[in-house]
Amino acid sequence: AQSVTQLGSHVSVSEGALVLLRCNYSSSVPPYLFWYVQYPNQGLQLLLKYTTGATLVKGINGFEAEFKKSETSFHLTKPSAHMSDAAEYFCAVRGNNRLAFGKGNQVVVIP
Amino acid sequence: EPEVTQTPSHQVTQMGQEVILRCVPISNHLYFYWYRQILGQKVEFLVSFYNNEISEKSEIFDDQFSVERPDGSNFTLKIRSTKLEDSAMYFCASTGLAGGNTGELFFGEGSRLTVL
Repeated sequence: AQSVTQLGSHVSVSEGALVLLRCNYSSSVPPYLFWYVQYPNQGLQLLLKYTTGATLVKGINGFEAEFKKSETSFHLTKPSAHMSDAAEYFCAVRGNNRLAFGKGNQVVVIP
Repeated sequence: EPEVTQTPSHQVTQMGQEVILRCVPISNHLYFYWYRQILGQKVEFLVSFYNNEISEKSEIFDDQFSVERPDGSNFTLKIRSTKLEDSAMYFCASTGLAGGNTGELFFGEGSRLTVL
């Protein structure tokens, strides 16, 4: 079965500082990995995904993530946080035609 | 841009009442899903649906839950007799291909269910 671990439910970051959200996965098959974002009162929106190929994946709003098989990780980064990045971020792994989500990180951006 | 739509956005109900949550998946999609998120917890898989039948369900999806695609466009989740612990945000999702070349699920904005 596939699973995802996200540590630290709340993450505070200063505006302009690096955003780093950690995700480690467990999968019995080559994983499809995703980051979704949920803005207040909105649904889950895909930020980026890794399926095959290049391990550094770029997504929307300046986010990127790197798939590291040796570390079973798919950490999300953004070089410079913006106030509009305040949201909840979910890492997910796909297997058996369903997604398994992590608990999510609530990102707070401090001006 | 095509999107998954869900209604209602928020429903308050009394314990023991039946609730139906409605979803309109993206029109050319083939796989449909319901997930839920209890406040402060993970987004959890409930059920997947393909070719007019359940393809997979989780241990959460007990006899109190049912899904239906009544008319080729709507996809509904029914909770027969709600319990307090059913209070959650329920997300509908759809995808175009089995497993998917992209693997991406498209989610609706969610229906918040509050059981009193």
